[in-house]
Amino acid sequence: QSALTQPASVSGSPGQSITISCTGTSSDVGAYNYVSWYQQHPGKAPKLMIYDVSNRPSGVSNRFSGSKSGNTASLTISGLQAEDEADYYCSSYTSGSHFWVFGGGTELTVL
Amino acid sequence: QVQLVESGGGVVQPGRSLRLSCAASGFTFSSMHWVRQAPGKGLEWVAVIWYDGTNKYYADSVKGRFTISRENSKNTLYLQMNSLRAEDTAVYYCARDNNYGAYDYWGQGTLVTVSS
Repeated sequence: QSALTQPASVSGSPGQSITISCTGTSSDVGAYNYVSWYQQHPGKAPKLMIYDVSNRPSGVSNRFSGSKSGNTASLTISGLQAEDEADYYCSSYTSGSHFWVFGGGTELTVL
Repeated sequence: QVQLVESGGGVVQPGRSLRLSCAASGFTFSSMHWVRQAPGKGLEWVAVIWYDGTNKYYADSVKGRFTISRENSKNTLYLQMNSLRAEDTAVYYCARDNNYGAYDYWGQGTLVTVSS
């Protein structure tokens, strides 16, 4: 069982927007802004898409945005494109013994 | 060019040991993590070591069996894995911490298979 809860799958059509949620607790997502999001294509290493809740690394499309409310963080992808189809993981620092925790991952399908 | 290259993976019997290496180049060698991914499963944080090696933290699942270390003069990160179990089977990635608790550079991963 993962420490952070994500939906197993989401889908959307090209051009649409989707949002992936990441629910934690007051010991991780709710307590720190060290929330990040990763995109992983099959057989590839993860890629950082969002850090510090809502910051985009250089080179990441501004179609990707992040936010947080209470114990839940969210990743929104606008203007869906075929190449966005991938697995997405959230991560947070935690005051619990794990120190860093991941969500179980969300499979995004672009219809 | 930024690069992280893991090595040392392979097939090992339960109870045996293995040491993974991660060679870094092209960027400042900062705090570093190991993250693993079991076949068909999600990501799992394994361990972190501060940039100067003063602090090391481990996931409960590996505490007491795995040791993270680094050799800054060689820009190399290590993961010594002892008393390996079948459930340690995974692709192991090294990743750099961007000072915001996020992993901004990743290696290509090295597969560790624990099987008799």
